[in-house]
Amino acid sequence: AQKVTQAQTEISVVEKEDVTLDCVYETRDTTYYLFWYKQPPSGELVFLIRRNSFDEQNEISGRYSWNFQKSTSSFNFTITASQVVDSAVYFCALSGSGTASKLTFGTGTRLQVTL
Amino acid sequence: DTEVTQTPKHLVMGMTNKKSLKCEQHMGHRAMYWYKQKAKKPPELMFVYSYEKLSINESVPSRFSPECPNSSLLNLHLHALQPEDSALYLCASSQDRGTSGGAGRETQYFGPGTRLLVL
Repeated sequence: AQKVTQAQTEISVVEKEDVTLDCVYETRDTTYYLFWYKQPPSGELVFLIRRNSFDEQNEISGRYSWNFQKSTSSFNFTITASQVVDSAVYFCALSGSGTASKLTFGTGTRLQVTL
Repeated sequence: DTEVTQTPKHLVMGMTNKKSLKCEQHMGHRAMYWYKQKAKKPPELMFVYSYEKLSINESVPSRFSPECPNSSLLNLHLHALQPEDSALYLCASSQDRGTSGGAGRETQYFGPGTRLLVL
């Protein structure tokens, strides 16, 4: 069975602060895939990143960065210099590699960025 | 173009009505998905189509009936719904490499959703 835990239910920061969203996962698969999605108030789930279990390199995309650590089964997401437009619910998700694998979502972290 | 479109954006229906939700993608994806999302919860998988064939049904009640007329279109037919079925219905699509890889590993791209209210 697969499980994704996002322990932070809600985070509130002031604009320009850095913020880290935690994601811890459980799986018995040796090959698996991790994802982050952003869901703004409009409702659409926006894909942010996909990482496979064999690639532990951290990734940076603009103000976004991801820290993947297999030793602690974590895939944390950091927003640097947060902006009001970053306000959304962020979901971490996990998938195996089989043909019938499903995406297992965490419960989400609601990020509120204020001026 | 990573766009999945869904119509309508909003739908209000009575418990005796029949309605349909529509999803369309033109990314050449061969896997399409329906999810249901209640407020403050993550999306829950309902159905998966792979190469126009239903591959996963997550024990969804028969009042929800999916249909995949072709590789670009996915419908969800609704009949005799209950108020607790009110939710955001999300469609997604992804690549599917068939028996050599399947869809599980692939990135799912989501549409904007249909907000359904059942009265």
